[in-house]
Amino acid sequence: AQSVSQHNHHVILSEAASLELGCNYSYGGTVNLFWYVQYPGQHLQLLLKYFSGDPLVKGIKGFEAEFIKSKFSFNLRKPSVQWSDTAEYFCAVNAHTGRRALTFGSGTRLQVQP
Amino acid sequence: GAGVSQSPSNKVTEKGKDVELRCDPISGHTALYWYRQSLGQGLEFLIYFQGNSAPDKSGLPSDRFSAERTGGSVSTLTIQRTQQEDSAVYLCASSSDRGNEQYFGPGTRLTVT
Repeated sequence: AQSVSQHNHHVILSEAASLELGCNYSYGGTVNLFWYVQYPGQHLQLLLKYFSGDPLVKGIKGFEAEFIKSKFSFNLRKPSVQWSDTAEYFCAVNAHTGRRALTFGSGTRLQVQP
Repeated sequence: GAGVSQSPSNKVTEKGKDVELRCDPISGHTALYWYRQSLGQGLEFLIYFQGNSAPDKSGLPSDRFSAERTGGSVSTLTIQRTQQEDSAVYLCASSSDRGNEQYFGPGTRLTVT
């Protein structure tokens, strides 16, 4: 069975600070990896994804994530956060082939203070 | 284009009543998923439809939960004899046949009193 761990439950940063949110997964096969974001009062939106190839992927709004296979990690980064990045961030995984249902981490609430 | 839509946006029901939640996927998307988001359990997979294949029901928490998808498009999630622990936001997502990205709807917030 797949599982996803997000170790940071609540992160508070000042504007312009750098961000790194941890995500580790457990699965015996090849996976696809995703970060979704949920802004206050809005629905889940895809931030970025990794299927194969270059392990450093870039998403919307200046976010990027690096897949490190040996560490089963897919950490999310942004060099300089803005107040508008205040949201909840979810890491998710599904099988590269076969079952496509997503397994989500518990989420990280990011609060950016102006 | 239009995204995934869900109705109603909010539903308050009494314990023991049945409820139906509706999802309209993105036009042309062959895969449709139901998840629920609750404080205690986070985001959980419920059921998955892919084209004409038999649905993957492995995430349904009990036999009070069922879902159908008519004509390969609209889906209805039915919860019978609702319990307070069913209170959650029920999310629908869809993806294309070749794509792996799931696009989520706004959800239905279900409150069981």
